[in-house]
This record gives sequence, structure tokens and C-alpha cells, in this order.
Amino acid sequence: GIQVEQSPPDLILQEGANSTLRCNFSDSVNNLQWFHQNPWGQLINLFYIPSGTKQNGRLSATTVATERYSLLYISSSQTTDSGVYSCAVAETSGSRLTFGEGTQLTVNP
Amino acid sequence: GAGVSQSPSNKVTEKGKDVELRCDPISGHTALYWYRQSLGQGLEFLIYFQGNSAPDKSGLPSDRFSAERTGGSVSTLTIQRTQQEDSAVYLCASSRPVDSPLHFGNGTRLTVT
Repeated sequence: GIQVEQSPPDLILQEGANSTLRCNFSDSVNNLQWFHQNPWGQLINLFYIPSGTKQNGRLSATTVATERYSLLYISSSQTTDSGVYSCAVAETSGSRLTFGEGTQLTVNP
Repeated sequence: GAGVSQSPSNKVTEKGKDVELRCDPISGHTALYWYRQSLGQGLEFLIYFQGNSAPDKSGLPSDRFSAERTGGSVSTLTIQRTQQEDSAVYLCASSRPVDSPLHFGNGTRLTVT
């Protein structure tokens, strides 16, 4: 099955800093999503982005499908951004979503 | 309801007992997933339902695990003869027909003693 690798595994920032999280995948995909899991375990969908670029407030994401990676950008980070950021991909339409191990982000005040 | 609903939120059971976990997806969502998350780990795929198609059961870890989805809506994940290694958070998610954003419930935390 498809392999998903995320980097870095852990990231510690000071409030106000910017960061870039990366998701590499081993095969062509037609479905890619980014999620944030807060310290209480709730999973929130951030982006559905199989290709191209999207922005939502301080967050943006870019997927370069031909090169098999996606990037999540967080600008002006806040303590509430802390948690685990996960990427999930599916190879073909209608197939299961496979998750990466995530990036644990800690934003300190 | 407004979101994916899972019950119970917490379940403590003795080793060897059977448990049933329930998921109510968002109305109109035809795709439904079950995942498992052990402490400090990523999400492990268990099973995927899409409309009336045969489910993708390839992630079920053993024949003690089964799931069904009745009427294309509510789903039940059943674990028979529970073992301590089954302790984890079981997460359900749903989406509209494929290739659309996935929405998660708050999960069921299962503890097998």
C-alpha cells in the first residue's frame, strides 16, 4: 500500500513564529487531506487538497502531486495551534485514506 | 445531527468480554471509516464503507473485529473476546461521496483490564 512520511516528527516554536510541515507519499494520489488533532484528541479537517494551493487564515497548504509531496504552512503561530498535524492520502477514487504518523507541534508563549 | 456522533465516549471492559461501539455519521454522508489510535501513535485504518459497495475490511487486525453499517447510516464496530492490546481510541469518520473532506467524531476510548 501507499506509504506516507511526515516531517519533522516534532517541532517546538515560540508564539509568532512561522513553520512548514511536510508530507511525502510513495505513489500517485487523488485525495490528500490535512488534519489537526488538538491536545484533547479532537480531529479537525484543515484542508482537502489533492493538488494546488489553498489558504485559510494563517494556514495554507500546497500539494505538488507530480512530485509526491504536500506542505502545510502555519504563520504567526499561536499557542492554540499546538497539537498533532496529520496528512492522509488515497491512491485512487473511492479507496481508503492512509494517515502519516503526524507532526507534534508545540507553540510556547 | 451536526457532526459525527460516537457512543459510548468511554468504555472499560474486562479481558474476554465483547464490546460494541456505535457511530452515527453526518446525515447524507455515504462514506464511513473506522480508525484506531493507540497512545502516541498515528491513525490505523480498520474498515471503510462506501454506499452499497462491499466494505474494505483490509485493516481489521483479526477475526475478532467486525463492523456493519445498517441502512447506509449507523455503523457498529464489534470486538469479540477483547484483549488488552485492543485498548485504544476508536475513531469514526464520514464524508460525502468519495474525494471530499473527512469529518471525525470524538472517538470511543476503550480500556481492556
